Amino acid sequence: GAVVSQHPSRVICKSGTSVKIECRSLDFQATTMFWYRQFPKQSLMLMATSNEGSKATYEQGVEKDKFLINHASLTLSTLTVTSAHPEDSSFYICSATSSGTAREQYFGPGTRLTVT
Amino acid sequence: DAKTTQPPSMDCAEGRAANLPCNHSTISGNEYVYWYRQIHSQGPQYIIHGLKNNETNEMASLIITEDRKSSTLILPHATLRDTAVYYCIVRLPLNRNTGKLIFGQGTTLQVKP
Repeated sequence: GAVVSQHPSRVICKSGTSVKIECRSLDFQATTMFWYRQFPKQSLMLMATSNEGSKATYEQGVEKDKFLINHASLTLSTLTVTSAHPEDSSFYICSATSSGTAREQYFGPGTRLTVT
Repeated sequence: DAKTTQPPSMDCAEGRAANLPCNHSTISGNEYVYWYRQIHSQGPQYIIHGLKNNETNEMASLIITEDRKSSTLILPHATLRDTAVYYCIVRLPLNRNTGKLIFGQGTTLQVKP
């Protein structure tokens, strides 16, 4: 299957600072990327859908001013957690899909964010 | 997207077939059934998907009932590395505005020696 990478894999930041997480499709062009959040022992929760070249669509209850998503190219999407608080500590996972015949969603390995 | 119902947990002996059920009684005609799994602290991994017909690939088989209200994922010879949370998801064909994967709680499969 196609490969999606995330960077960093782990990050620790202080409360009040901002953190950027990158999601890259390595061997295909991703017209759509998705961002998920997963708390311990819970399922993945979809945060937003990002189409290349347009604004992200956020799920209900997700603050768009706190979780800034940019999908500026067909291989890169970024999620910036602004003014992070301890309750933002979570496992953030992206997925990507292309517009070709192979329309599967391929997931990145995830980024573990800890806010102290 | 239609909701799915899965048992919260299952055990399977190593080397035996693991049969994971999923109910999706409100599935609509153009919604696909997808299976993903998530090994601890990793991103989900695609396993298989289908619309009406049974499907098989190198990882698993997917059996969809004729009325499409339920399906079963079959891992023919489970190994310890198959221990994971398995998610059954139904969704519309993917385009720019549809096809979101909405994850339920899944089934935690424990493969035992």
